[in-house]
Amino acid sequence: GQNIDQPTEMTATEGAIVQINCTYQTSGFNGLFWYQQHAGEAPTFLSYNVLDGLEEKGRFSSFLSRSKGYSYLLLKELQMKDSASYLCAVTDSNYQLIWGAGTKLIIKP
Amino acid sequence: NAGVTQTPKFRVLKTGQSMTLLCAQDMNHEYMYWYRQDPGMGLRLIHYSVGEGTTAKGEVPDGYNVSRLKKQNFLLGLESAAPSQTSVYFCASSLSGDSYNEQFFGPGTRLTVL
Repeated sequence: GQNIDQPTEMTATEGAIVQINCTYQTSGFNGLFWYQQHAGEAPTFLSYNVLDGLEEKGRFSSFLSRSKGYSYLLLKELQMKDSASYLCAVTDSNYQLIWGAGTKLIIKP
Repeated sequence: NAGVTQTPKFRVLKTGQSMTLLCAQDMNHEYMYWYRQDPGMGLRLIHYSVGEGTTAKGEVPDGYNVSRLKKQNFLLGLESAAPSQTSVYFCASSLSGDSYNEQFFGPGTRLTVL
């Protein structure tokens, strides 16, 4: 079966750095997405990785290792508005997006 | 541009009632999707469409039907609602269905079936 694992919940302090991990087992791989979803709102696109390595975009970075079936999202200089759920999703061999259950990130002052 | 819009935003149904959820996008996207999101679970694909006049089943299609008569609209129907269909429903669209298929989501419809 296809499976994406993420921690259910994480807590971090304002101004700090947090890393959210995602491991996947899917039938084929055609890219990995990270989305942000604030409570009661729609998911919004954060990043996309298809090759191994680190993609940096402002305070957010996303890393991919295809051989390990592993990705992480790194958030720097945390702000209160970063409190949200972070969804990992993988495009499989049929170009379908397989979604993880999401990681709820709680930021404390 | 409005992006992806959904109507209604909230709805309460009784078991056995029917309803239609409407999704509209103004980005000229070919692909459209209907998902449901339940607590503790990832987004699950109900049905999707790769273009006007086409539909296909996703992971959890039972109890739902869809239609895409116009490119910009994607309708989700519940013929006989059941309490198990209580969920948040998201519509999404993407320009294509290849590897970089960034999906744009509507605001969601919160459905309760009593």
